[in-house]
Amino acid sequence: DIQMTQSPSSLSASVGDTVTITCRTSQTITKSLSWYQQRPGGAPNLLIYAASTLQGGVPSRFSGSGSGTDFTLTISGLQPDDFATYYCLQSYTTLSLTFGPGTKVDIQ
Amino acid sequence: EVHLVESGGGLVQPGGSLRLSCTTSGFTFNDFAMHWVRQTPGKGLEWVSGLTWNSELIAYADSVKGRFTISRDNAKNSLFLQLNSLRPEDTALYYCAREVYDPTGDHSHFDYWGQGTPVTVSS
Repeated sequence: DIQMTQSPSSLSASVGDTVTITCRTSQTITKSLSWYQQRPGGAPNLLIYAASTLQGGVPSRFSGSGSGTDFTLTISGLQPDDFATYYCLQSYTTLSLTFGPGTKVDIQ
Repeated sequence: EVHLVESGGGLVQPGGSLRLSCTTSGFTFNDFAMHWVRQTPGKGLEWVSGLTWNSELIAYADSVKGRFTISRDNAKNSLFLQLNSLRPEDTALYYCAREVYDPTGDHSHFDYWGQGTPVTVSS
């Protein structure tokens, strides 16, 4: 099974900051990685797919990069709505998917 | 507009059973693979099970294999999850999610999610 790590597990930031979250996989997954935002009490919401493609309707301050085993999600100019938990998901193996443990972004 | 609505959750004793449903609308259901994902209280997301549009390929997380059964009824635009031999550690909010597959890049992702149905396993 493909193992996932995310770092940091949590971070504190201020409105306007740029934050970067990293996701690493135990084996290469090419670009089969997506990023999700989950606000308290809500369902996950797709932000980025195929490692770097922005989902329609998602603000351009979100960006993704990486391939192989190392991936990053960057939020440039943090907004109040962005304080949430972020998860990566690998979909390299058909019907055997794994989420990262999550990164909680708090207001500093 | 795409909608996924889960139902069937509730309180059940250890060893008991439940059947979860996910009723969908707003898209051609039999064009998509579908999945169940769960989230234990205050914890992260765990993929539980998924199946292809025609149910030919089905997979489960090791934690539920042999106890849970996923199925779908394309005529009714619905996805199901039969939960048997339930354990306290199965307590979670269960989401259904639609998978989008891009054959050109050979990758997929979940573009729509329901709001979840809660399952509590306790005596």
